[in-house]
Amino acid sequence: SQKIEQNSEALNIQEGKTATLTCNYTNYSPAYLQWYRQDPGRGPVFLLLIRENEKEKRKERLKVTFDTTLKQSLFHITASQPADSATYLCALGTSYNTDKLIFGTGTRLQVFP
Amino acid sequence: ETGVTQTPRHLVMGMTNKKSLKCEQHLGHNAMYWYKQSAKKPLELMFVYSLEERVENNSVPSRFSPECPNSSHLFLHLHTLQPEDSALYLCASSQEGRGATDTQYFGPGTRLTVL
Repeated sequence: SQKIEQNSEALNIQEGKTATLTCNYTNYSPAYLQWYRQDPGRGPVFLLLIRENEKEKRKERLKVTFDTTLKQSLFHITASQPADSATYLCALGTSYNTDKLIFGTGTRLQVFP
Repeated sequence: ETGVTQTPRHLVMGMTNKKSLKCEQHLGHNAMYWYKQSAKKPLELMFVYSLEERVENNSVPSRFSPECPNSSHLFLHLHTLQPEDSALYLCASSQEGRGATDTQYFGPGTRLTVL
């Protein structure tokens, strides 16, 4: 069956370190992968989109990789800050059904001082 | 007001009630979405509207009835709900109906509790 898996446990890291979040998928052939941030009681906010022919994308302190062989995306936050604490969602899009994004359950990141 | 707004933010209803959720987007987008977010579960797409036409109905029970009178407004009419329908209902919009590639802009959600 089709599945998207993100770190189910919360990720706790110290301020200033690099946080690495994982998104693994099975039985999908995504053409696009998006990452969103969600704070408690709020809707998700778009962060980055990466296409299947792109290996890496960066935006300020954020970096996303997309490995279609490993069926995995990694999301890195460098020099993490307490304000980065939130839940991060990965979402897949396919080229054959462009109406929809399929979301993972998200990983909760806690950055402590 | 900017972005995507949703009202009410919180709603408690009995199983025999009828209520409606409202979403409004001020971004000039052509597509709008309803999602359901339950605890420990991924966001579930319910409906997609593109240029006021429903283009996706993700096997949602008929007790949920969407309405899109124009490209800025989206409603979700609720009737005869079950306790398991309690969740956060999120509205989103995007420039076109290509949810896979478009950036989606989400509202703050309506926290629904069905007693």
